[in-house]
Amino acid sequence: DTGVSQNPRHKITKRGQNVTFRCDPISEHNRLYWYRQTLGQGPEFLTYFQNEAQLEKSRLLSDRFSAERPKGSFSTLEIQRTEQGDSAMYLCASSLGDRVSYEQYFGPGTRLTVT
Amino acid sequence: AQRVTQPEKLLSVFKGAPVELKCNYSYSGSPELFWYVQYSRQRLQLLLRHISRESIKGFTADLNKGETSFHLKKPFAQEEDSAMYYCALSGLGGSYIPTFGRGTSLIVHP
Repeated sequence: DTGVSQNPRHKITKRGQNVTFRCDPISEHNRLYWYRQTLGQGPEFLTYFQNEAQLEKSRLLSDRFSAERPKGSFSTLEIQRTEQGDSAMYLCASSLGDRVSYEQYFGPGTRLTVT
Repeated sequence: AQRVTQPEKLLSVFKGAPVELKCNYSYSGSPELFWYVQYSRQRLQLLLRHISRESIKGFTADLNKGETSFHLKKPFAQEEDSAMYYCALSGLGGSYIPTFGRGTSLIVHP
């Protein structure tokens, strides 16, 4: 499978714990996006990278969230001190090119449940 | 601020009927509009974008800047069209932050 992959697919954690998700984009894609999706809503932009540089970060993103893409390939999204409101599907997408108009390819998502 | 509005959470039609999924947007610059689709148990995927001016799986969408709309249309719905449809907006040459609507669930009955 040469598409975008995300691990784990499901994560259940207790409030206050830290979690980390991984996204492996399509290999030649230089842009990588993270989104959060809650029930009944569309994907909400969190942050994106062009190669290893984090170029945009949503103002809605709490300081508890951090993302990295150290070598311009895979990316990790970490949530510290999780809260119940963090329960959501976390989506990763990648695209090729300098313009956002290039098609984004989505991963299957990581479903986070905070108890 | 950019915003995408999909007024219908659910659209239910019978096979062979015309379909129109509405999308209105708010953006001060030049927008680029997309429709993404998510079939059951599958990942989100691009259906079409206004720049391409294509017809994909019988669906078309025309950008109407005067009405700030990008409605998705298909003249004859098929059962396999049942899915979640999301309208999305990005700024051309400006903000690269994509904004998605909340989605419309299309159900096509036999």
